[in-house]
Amino acid sequence: LAKTTQPISMDSYEGQEVNITCSHNNIATNDYITWYQQFPSQGPRFIIQGYKTKVTNEVASLFIPADRKSSTLSLPRVSLSDTAVYYCLVGLSGGYNKLIFGAGTRLAVHP
Amino acid sequence: GAGVSQSPSNKVTEKGKDVELRCDPISGHTALYWYRQSLGQGLEFLIYFQGNSAPDKSGLPSDRFSAERTGGSVSTLTIQRTQQEDSAVYLCASIKPGVLNSPLHFGNGTRLTVT
Repeated sequence: LAKTTQPISMDSYEGQEVNITCSHNNIATNDYITWYQQFPSQGPRFIIQGYKTKVTNEVASLFIPADRKSSTLSLPRVSLSDTAVYYCLVGLSGGYNKLIFGAGTRLAVHP
Repeated sequence: GAGVSQSPSNKVTEKGKDVELRCDPISGHTALYWYRQSLGQGLEFLIYFQGNSAPDKSGLPSDRFSAERTGGSVSTLTIQRTQQEDSAVYLCASIKPGVLNSPLHFGNGTRLTVT
């Protein structure tokens, strides 16, 4: 099972771009990389998922290098409402196995 | 319902009592996961189900913890003889296996407080 490592915390200011990197050195061939966002008193919610190269949706981009041993979640122009904990999860897409979360990155966005 | 539903949302119990936590997954989601989250901490894997079977129970903290799933839908997590260290938020998530880009869908959890 791929273990993930992320920074414990990050600080940013409104309007800035935030990049959170996750290391997953022993990612398996069939593993996907998925990022979740969690607000206090809520369950995590899906942000973005990718396998390789770059994925972009309406809220974020995900950059995955060719060796797939890391990934970077990019949040453009953050706002105060982006203050949350962000988790990187590596595992088979769509279930079928034990999915282990890392410790997450606590992002604080300041005015 | 549209999302994963967990009940109760809050539970306060006395040390030594048994508690049952319930999870209603999204319809059609055959895989179901339980996680535990202590205050300010990350998500600790407990157990997952594929249909009614639990291929991996290795995350259950002790034999006081058990879980079952019936009809490939509702799951209950039971904690016997609760201890204060069991106080945490218990999160349930479901997923539709075999579908590309199918993420985990979480409920909002049950906050358990053992006094």
